[in-house]
Amino acid sequence: AQKVTQAQTEISVVEKEDVTLDCVYETRDTTYYLFWYKQPPSGELVFLIRRNSFDEQNEISGRYSWNFQKSTSSFNFTITASQVVDSAVYFCALRNTNAGKSTFGDGTTLTVKP
Amino acid sequence: EAQVTQNPRYLITVTGKKLTVTCSQNMNHEYMSWYRQDPGLGLRQIYYSMNVEVTDKGDVPEGYKVSRKEKRNFPLILESPSPNQTSLYFCASRRATDSYEQYFGPGTRLTVT
Repeated sequence: AQKVTQAQTEISVVEKEDVTLDCVYETRDTTYYLFWYKQPPSGELVFLIRRNSFDEQNEISGRYSWNFQKSTSSFNFTITASQVVDSAVYFCALRNTNAGKSTFGDGTTLTVKP
Repeated sequence: EAQVTQNPRYLITVTGKKLTVTCSQNMNHEYMSWYRQDPGLGLRQIYYSMNVEVTDKGDVPEGYKVSRKEKRNFPLILESPSPNQTSLYFCASRRATDSYEQYFGPGTRLTVT
């Protein structure tokens, strides 16, 4: 069985602070895919990033960066200089290569105050 | 415009009255899936389909049925809805290759009284 744990249920920061959202996963597969999605207050789910298990290179996209560490089964997400528009629920997800099943974490609600 | 559509977006119904939530995608994706989202529980997969006439159970399939007769459509059927099926439902699709991300529909908020 696979599992995704987002231990931080809620985080509140003040605008311009940096914030890191943690994601720890469990899987028996050697090949798998990790994802982050954003759910703003409007409710839609927005894809942010995909990472393959065999590619541990970290990635930066503007104010967003992701740190994938296979040794600790973690795929953490950092927002630099947070903005009010970053306020949302963020989900980490795991998909194995056995085709269909995807497992999501419970989500982290990020509130960025002006 | 590439999209996943769901209907209805909002539905209030009563216990036991059969209902269907439709899902359609225009991207020729092989894979489609249904999730439910409940407070504090993230998204839990109900059913998924790898292609036409190929479906399989996710983590919480009890009380739900699906069918995949056409590639673009993947309806979710609640034969006898109960209050514990009150939830926010999302349909998603993606290309068959594992590495691709899913595209989600806008969600259907269902209330069963």
